[in-house]
Amino acid sequence: GAVVSQHPSWVICKSGTSVKIECRSLDFQATTMFWYRQFPKQSLMLMATSNEGSKATYEQGVEKDKFLINHASLTLSTLTVTSAHPEDSSFYICSARRGTSGGYEQYFGPGTRLTVT
Amino acid sequence: DAKTTQPPSMDCAEGRAANLPCNHSTISGNEYVYWYRQIHSQGPQYIIHGLKNNETNEMASLIITEDRKSSTLILPHATLRDTAVYYCIVRVISGNTPLVFGKGTRLSVIA
Repeated sequence: GAVVSQHPSWVICKSGTSVKIECRSLDFQATTMFWYRQFPKQSLMLMATSNEGSKATYEQGVEKDKFLINHASLTLSTLTVTSAHPEDSSFYICSARRGTSGGYEQYFGPGTRLTVT
Repeated sequence: DAKTTQPPSMDCAEGRAANLPCNHSTISGNEYVYWYRQIHSQGPQYIIHGLKNNETNEMASLIITEDRKSSTLILPHATLRDTAVYYCIVRVISGNTPLVFGKGTRLSVIA
């Protein structure tokens, strides 16, 4: 149980275009999902927290108008990179939070590699 | 900011035990120690977590010192597929805050 999927697994787009990445919790409902970004040879950095039915909360330094997050259902959150630039090329990883008897656990998707040319 | 300190890299011979240390000297009483690993170009994978007692599962063992200021993740018989970056994270299990990743330890298992 607790499987999180992402689509696409990799994408190449041209500079100036927009790209949408989907994150789905396949066998549980997630009221909260998190989006991380990882540059080569670096650790995961939290971008934003996505709550179902409400606006996302962005970390300091992350442009909310550039990285649009929509959490329209309990199993789906999307991240749209608008007007992509080469510096947005990165590995984007989502994580879904699931409630447990003792609290909450986070489960991670396989990641989406974005290359902007 | 991450509240843990880990060595940047370690090597381990295939078939031997890999012991990965983590310092978390400022850990609070209600914070758990979690371990995740990330194999190249994949999402993080949960390994194990504990509060104060030692824990063991099918993947690894977690040894937490009595003062809880440090811990060691043990992979009893490392294989080449265990080559990954291992992250030690402290967090409150009931909290709403997301996992914060430090730099982790890059473990290379050598044949």
